[in-house]
Amino acid sequence: EAGVAQSPRYKIIEKRQSVAFWCNPISGHATLYWYQQILGQGPKLLIQFQNNGVVDDSQLPKDRFSAERLKGVDSTLKIQPAKLEDSAVYLCASSSPGTKNTGELFFGEGSRLTVL
Amino acid sequence: SQKIEQNSEALNIQEGKTATLTCNYTNYSPAYLQWYRQDPGRGPVFLLLIRENEKEKRKERLKVTFDTTLKQSLFHITASQPADSATYLCALSYSGSARQLTFGSGTQLTVLP
Repeated sequence: EAGVAQSPRYKIIEKRQSVAFWCNPISGHATLYWYQQILGQGPKLLIQFQNNGVVDDSQLPKDRFSAERLKGVDSTLKIQPAKLEDSAVYLCASSSPGTKNTGELFFGEGSRLTVL
Repeated sequence: SQKIEQNSEALNIQEGKTATLTCNYTNYSPAYLQWYRQDPGRGPVFLLLIRENEKEKRKERLKVTFDTTLKQSLFHITASQPADSATYLCALSYSGSARQLTFGSGTQLTVLP
């Protein structure tokens, strides 16, 4: 079974520029998450989708961050304009309500963003 | 708001010993608690899940305990190996929270040969 795919793996931009990250979850997983992980910290939830609807985006800085999952499969996370404090790894994860482990998340390798 | 605290410092142990990692939380108990392993430059990988009505869970050399009175979970790796060196993350989920996980900051474990 293919895992969660993310791209790009690395991105370096200057502040005030924009960037987009892409995620393809495990086939059949209805729930998709974007987490932000700053160096030395645990992942922090940015947004959760159930199919193509948003379940929770309360921690998404909506003035600069946006995310979509138009067809209920792939998702894109965009940052515009980027700030220095956005430097982090952006992790995509997916889960299926049918897993026996109840809520186990499957993570991608992450996209590391450096804002200069 | 809920706070999750893991071992504040990195943990170094000798190969063959048992590593014990701590996860403490404040306020109300979660419906279940999960442990993940994260290697440098990689995404977290699920290890074990324990529910609020369970005291202990085992999987091979791994053991997790959950004490809702102490508001604490302990994660044990027995007969530790250098390959167990990684950061271990504790994550909590609550009933009705739509399967959202709140993560601790992790404990970096190094197993010395």
